[in-house]
Amino acid sequence: AQSVSQHNHHVILSEAASLELGCNYSYGGTVNLFWYVQYPGQHLQLLLKYFSGDPLVKGIKGFEAEFIKSKFSFNLRKPSVQWSDTAEYFCAVNARNYGQNFVFGPGTRLSVLP
Amino acid sequence: DSGVTQTPKHLITATGQRVTLRCSPRSGDLSVYWYQQSLDQGLQFLIQYYNGEERAKGNILERFSAQQFPDLHSELNLSSLELGDSALYFCASSVGTSGTQETQYFGPGTRLLVL
Repeated sequence: AQSVSQHNHHVILSEAASLELGCNYSYGGTVNLFWYVQYPGQHLQLLLKYFSGDPLVKGIKGFEAEFIKSKFSFNLRKPSVQWSDTAEYFCAVNARNYGQNFVFGPGTRLSVLP
Repeated sequence: DSGVTQTPKHLITATGQRVTLRCSPRSGDLSVYWYQQSLDQGLQFLIQYYNGEERAKGNILERFSAQQFPDLHSELNLSSLELGDSALYFCASSVGTSGTQETQYFGPGTRLLVL
């Protein structure tokens, strides 16, 4: 079965610091990859997604993620975080041709200090 | 706004009771997914419907059931409620079934509190 791990449970950064959140998945086949963000008290919103092509994907709000197939990773990055980026970030994987649904990682809580 | 709507936003009930949560998918989406989000369990996939038929089951208890109606809205029924069922229940929708280039869009959730 697929599984998704996220390296950090809670990350605390100061404004303008660079961010990298790790995501690894376990599935040997072709996958679709996603990052969702959940702001306090709100629902999950799609940040970015990778289906195929350029492994460096750009999303909303200055976020990007890089798919490294050999490492089964899909890390999320942002060069300079803002206080408004404080939220919980979820990595999700959907295996193509597997008939299984999205598997979400446990989430990483990001706190950005002003 | 994702286009997925859920009602009610909040629900407070007592142990042993039964509640129904409702979800309307985005226009054109045929798949509906239900998730439970709690502090200790994280985001757990419960069940998926595609065009009225159950397509996949996750960690859904036997006390819970769901259905998708001809107009594609879905209801999640939770019965014999226990304190531990208190959680945020999200609905998501997508165009078709997983395994293709699908993206799920989430609704605002229903916060259930069982007292």
